[in-house]
Amino acid sequence: DADVTQTPRNRITKTGKRIMLECSQTKGHDRMYWYRQDPGLGLRLIYYSFDVKDINKGEISDGYSVSRQAQAKFSLSLESAIPNQTALYFCATSDPGTGHEQFFGPGTRLTVL
Amino acid sequence: AQSVTQLGSHVSVSEGALVLLRCNYSSSVPPYLFWYVQYPNQGLQLLLKYTSAATLVKGINGFEAEFKKSETSFHLTKPSAHMSDAAEYFCAVALGGGSYIPTFGRGTSLIVHP
Repeated sequence: DADVTQTPRNRITKTGKRIMLECSQTKGHDRMYWYRQDPGLGLRLIYYSFDVKDINKGEISDGYSVSRQAQAKFSLSLESAIPNQTALYFCATSDPGTGHEQFFGPGTRLTVL
Repeated sequence: AQSVTQLGSHVSVSEGALVLLRCNYSSSVPPYLFWYVQYPNQGLQLLLKYTSAATLVKGINGFEAEFKKSETSFHLTKPSAHMSDAAEYFCAVALGGGSYIPTFGRGTSLIVHP
């Protein structure tokens, strides 16, 4: 079984809809992250969390919110989706004990019409 | 502050040829450096990492990278390209002062011709 899972894998929605992307991990890591990937722009950090009570904004947090429900679960919400939020979204985990390597989920492809 | 520059958004090589993907970083303190690979329709996976030990780092699938402090570079190489190496490659830098949160480069797409 995959260590970091994301649901859904693909989602098409309309402008103005609320969307939640979910991430679960079985690695036992405290640190979790949400990124978005756009062609030619690499990965950009949206939010990160170092433990259940810790939430921090990343480089591009406007229009997004997150919830850390448990050590293993970290959800990303788009309160009112807009077309320029169409992108590939990745969840990742890391741990200082593994040299801060990031472990990625398979991604969610989100299209906002 | 930390930043990463990957030179060339696309690199094209013939099968069997040397692969060289360039990465330069900017940081005020010794960094951790990473190369990740993304195959089509998949997430990123670690190829190799530098964490202040040996400057020549060997990774999976025959890739290696050398940390050169004087050049602030961490270029990725492989002696002989294989068709299966075709993918997107990302360089990333992380600093202790930044809680080791990585900053990623924009990626280089490796194209391998038969």
